Amino acid sequence: GQSLEQPSEVTAVEGAIVQINCTYQTSGFYGLSWYQQHDGGAPTFLSYNGLDGLEETGRFSSFLSRSDSYGYLLLQELQMKDSASYFCAVRDLAETGGFKTIFGAGTRLFVKA
Amino acid sequence: DVKVTQSSRYLVKRTGEKVFLECVQDMDHENMFWYRQDPGLGLRLIYFSYDVKMKEKGDIPEGYSVSREKKERFSLILESASTNQTSMYLCASSGGGTGGNTQYFGPGTRLTVL
Repeated sequence: GQSLEQPSEVTAVEGAIVQINCTYQTSGFYGLSWYQQHDGGAPTFLSYNGLDGLEETGRFSSFLSRSDSYGYLLLQELQMKDSASYFCAVRDLAETGGFKTIFGAGTRLFVKA
Repeated sequence: DVKVTQSSRYLVKRTGEKVFLECVQDMDHENMFWYRQDPGLGLRLIYFSYDVKMKEKGDIPEGYSVSREKKERFSLILESASTNQTSMYLCASSGGGTGGNTQYFGPGTRLTVL
């Protein structure tokens, strides 16, 4: 089967650094993405890793190790507005062509003052 | 900016009714997706389409069908709504090639089936 595992909840204080891990088990793999979703809002794209290593976008970084089927999202200098749910997602090739994306259950991040 | 719109934010239907959820994107994207989101389960793929008139089943297609007659529009159909289809429905689109790495989501339709 296909599965993505990520912690259900993480709590951190404002200004700190937090890491959200994601391990995956899928039939194929073309890349790992991260999405942010605030309460009542739509998911928005944060980052994508197609190759091993670290991708940095401002305060957010994402890491991928394909040999370990593992990735993480690193959020630095946490702000209250970072309180949201974060989803990892694997891009995979569908059976009859085209790509589909499989999402994890999401990690709820609480940022405290 | 990419814009993905969904026909309704909130919808209440009765068991057995036929329900249509519409999604329109304005960026000429090849790929369109329908997900449902339930607490603790994340986003689960119902159907997707990578071209006009093409459709492919996702992980939970039972009880749903889709239609893509035009590139910009992707419709989700509940042939006979049931209470277990009460959920948040999210539509998304993405481009081809490396553009497919990023999905753009609509605001969602919260469907309640009574």
